[in-house]
Amino acid sequence: GAVVSQHPSWVICKSGTSVKIECRSLDFQATTMFWYRQFPKQSLMLMATSNEGSKATYEQGVEKDKFLINHASLTLSTLTVTSAHPEDSSFYICSAPRSGVPDTQYFGPGTRLTVL
Amino acid sequence: ELKVEQNPLFLSMQEGKNYTIYCNYSTTSDRLYWYRQDPGKSLESLFVLLSNGAVKQEGRLMASLDTKARLSTLHITAAVHDLSATYFCAVDRTSGSRLTFGEGTQLTVNP
Repeated sequence: GAVVSQHPSWVICKSGTSVKIECRSLDFQATTMFWYRQFPKQSLMLMATSNEGSKATYEQGVEKDKFLINHASLTLSTLTVTSAHPEDSSFYICSAPRSGVPDTQYFGPGTRLTVL
Repeated sequence: ELKVEQNPLFLSMQEGKNYTIYCNYSTTSDRLYWYRQDPGKSLESLFVLLSNGAVKQEGRLMASLDTKARLSTLHITAAVHDLSATYFCAVDRTSGSRLTFGEGTQLTVNP
C-alpha cells in the first residue's frame, strides 16, 4: 500500500487564491520531506526540502514567499502556493526518505494544480 | 551544478525487441535511481544502484551503474506493451536524498 499520501489529488482554483497541499508519511516518521514540481511533458524539479522543526531549504530560483512550506510534525509537510497564477499550474509531488531503510525514497501520488 | 542527461528522450519500439536507455551525469555520485511514471501518475521506484558495477534486474528490465564513466543504463529485453511509460533516472546530489532527475525517456512499445 501507499506509504506517502497527498491531499488533494487535484485542485482547480482561481488566480490570486492560495492553495494548500498536504503530504503525509503513513506508517513511518519523516524528519525530511521533499517537494517537486513537474510541468507537462517535463521532468521533476526539486523545489525545496522540508525539515521538521526548522525552516525549509529552497532550491535556487524558487520563491520562498510564494511557496510556503511547513513541516509541523514528523508525518506531515504542507506546501501552500500563495496568490496562485496560471503559470503555477503543475503537478506537485512530495517524497520522503524512510529512516532505517537506506536509500529508499517514497513518492506521494502527486497533486495536480490548475489555476484559472 | 549537477546535470543528468538521458538518451533517447523518445523511444518507439516493437514488442519483442531489445533496447537500452542511457543516463549520464556530470558530477560524482554514488546513488542512482530509476523510476517509472505512467501518464497522470506519480513515480514508481524501479532500481537503486549504489556502487560501481552494480547491476540489478527485475523482469524485463536490467539496470547497471558505472560510476567512473558516470553512466547508468536501463536495458529492456523483449519489450512488451505494458512497459510503455516514461522512465526517469535520478542522481542523489549530496547523499541527502535531494535528487536531480534526467529529462525522462518516453517509451512506447507497439504490438
